[in-house]
Amino acid sequence: ETGVTQSPTHLIKTRGQQVTLRCSSQSGHNTVSWYQQALGQGPQFIFQYYREEENGRGNFPPRFSGLQFPNYSSELNVNALELDDSALYLCASSLMRQTYNSPLHFGNGTRLTVT
Amino acid sequence: TQLLEQSPQFLSIQEGENLTVYCNSSSVFSSLQWYRQEPGEGPVLLVTVVTGGEVKKLKRLTFQFGDARKDSSLHITAAQPGDTGLYLCAGVMNRDDKIIFGKGTRLHILP
Repeated sequence: ETGVTQSPTHLIKTRGQQVTLRCSSQSGHNTVSWYQQALGQGPQFIFQYYREEENGRGNFPPRFSGLQFPNYSSELNVNALELDDSALYLCASSLMRQTYNSPLHFGNGTRLTVT
Repeated sequence: TQLLEQSPQFLSIQEGENLTVYCNSSSVFSSLQWYRQEPGEGPVLLVTVVTGGEVKKLKRLTFQFGDARKDSSLHITAAQPGDTGLYLCAGVMNRDDKIIFGKGTRLHILP
């Protein structure tokens, strides 16, 4: 069973640039959720994708967008980067829409630094 | 405002001591999950509690879900240095099954 993998592990960008983060979900999982974790904070829900469609969104601006592919892998795109976007971005996969019997399986995250 | 409040934010205790951390909300959840996160890694699920009043044990860790399904606690008996980490509670929302995290309790066990 292959776990959740994220790439790259670290990234440094300049304010105003755009970034794409990638996530391969655990085999057999069809739902991917993205979270932003600022230093010293808990993960904040960005959005979720289920069978290639957005299935809910947290309180993040439209410059945060995503995609899910037929193989259930996913991308998180952030445009017009701001300094406050510096954080650990976590991808989590699950077997179905998030329910109590489908916990999140997290990758190790991408550490994004915006200068 | 934070939907899930965790306390304390930080806790540093000696090996062998007992401790309890809390997760509180004014919202009702269909279930509640506890995760542990270590530096450089993603959170890893410890347990899910579903029924109000439910108690689950995982070796030296005891998890309890409040009767009203709004709060939870994690009790660790005889803490060990390997218990060090960030403990996150996460509530599964009734209305849409989204999972919302608290800010976490950072636990440090001194040898």
